[in-house]
Amino acid sequence: GQQVMQIPQYQHVQEGEDFTTYCNSSTTLSNIQWYKQRPGGHPVFLIQLVKSGEVKKQKRLTFQFGEAKKNSSLHITATQTTDVGTYFCAGRKAAGNKLTFGGGTRVLVKP
Amino acid sequence: ETGVTQTPRHLVMGMTNKKSLKCEQHLGHNAMYWYKQSAKKPLELMFVYSLEERVENNSVPSRFSPECPNSSHLFLHLHTLQPEDSALYLCASSQERGAGELFFGEGSRLTVL
Repeated sequence: GQQVMQIPQYQHVQEGEDFTTYCNSSTTLSNIQWYKQRPGGHPVFLIQLVKSGEVKKQKRLTFQFGEAKKNSSLHITATQTTDVGTYFCAGRKAAGNKLTFGGGTRVLVKP
Repeated sequence: ETGVTQTPRHLVMGMTNKKSLKCEQHLGHNAMYWYKQSAKKPLELMFVYSLEERVENNSVPSRFSPECPNSSHLFLHLHTLQPEDSALYLCASSQERGAGELFFGEGSRLTVL
C-alpha cells in the first residue's frame, strides 16, 4: 500500500534559525497537504500543493512539491516559539482517494 | 472554533464499559471521518462516511462501531475495549470525500483501564 515517510521525526531548532522537514511518498501523488498540530491540539490544515514543482509561501513557511510529485518539503525561516508543534504531510494518490498521513516532524524551539 | 465539535474531550473507561464518542460538524460538509492518533504512530484512518453512507472501513476491530445518522453527526460506539485502544480519537470532515482539506475536531482523549 501507499506509504508516506517524513524526516526528521524530531527537530530541535534554535530560535531564529531555519530548518527544513521532508516528506517522501512511495507512489506518485495527485496532491499533497500539510497540517500543523500544536501540543495538546488537533491538526490544522496549512496548504495543498497540486502541480509538479509547485512552490507556495505563507509568511516564513515555504512549501515545495517535487518535480516527480513523490516528495515535498516545508522550510521555515527565522523559527519562532510559535512554530512549536508537529507538522504532518498527507498525500493523495488520485482524486477521490483517501489521504495518507506521514508520521510527522515534531518541532521543538530553543529560546 | 473549528466548525467540528467533539464530545467528550476526555474519557476514561474500563474494558467492560460501553461508551460513545460524538462528533458534529457545522460546515455543511458531505464527508466525515474517524481517525486514531496514538503516540509514535501516524494518523490512522478508521472509517469514512460520505452522505451518511459508510464507504471505508480500514480493518478496524468490531469493538469500534461507527454510526452516521445524518451528514452533520458522527458517532463512534465503543465496547469491550483493550488498553492498547487508548489514544486520541479525531473526527474530521471535508466538503466531499477524497477532495479538499480536512477540518479536524479537537479530539476525544480515551484512556482504557
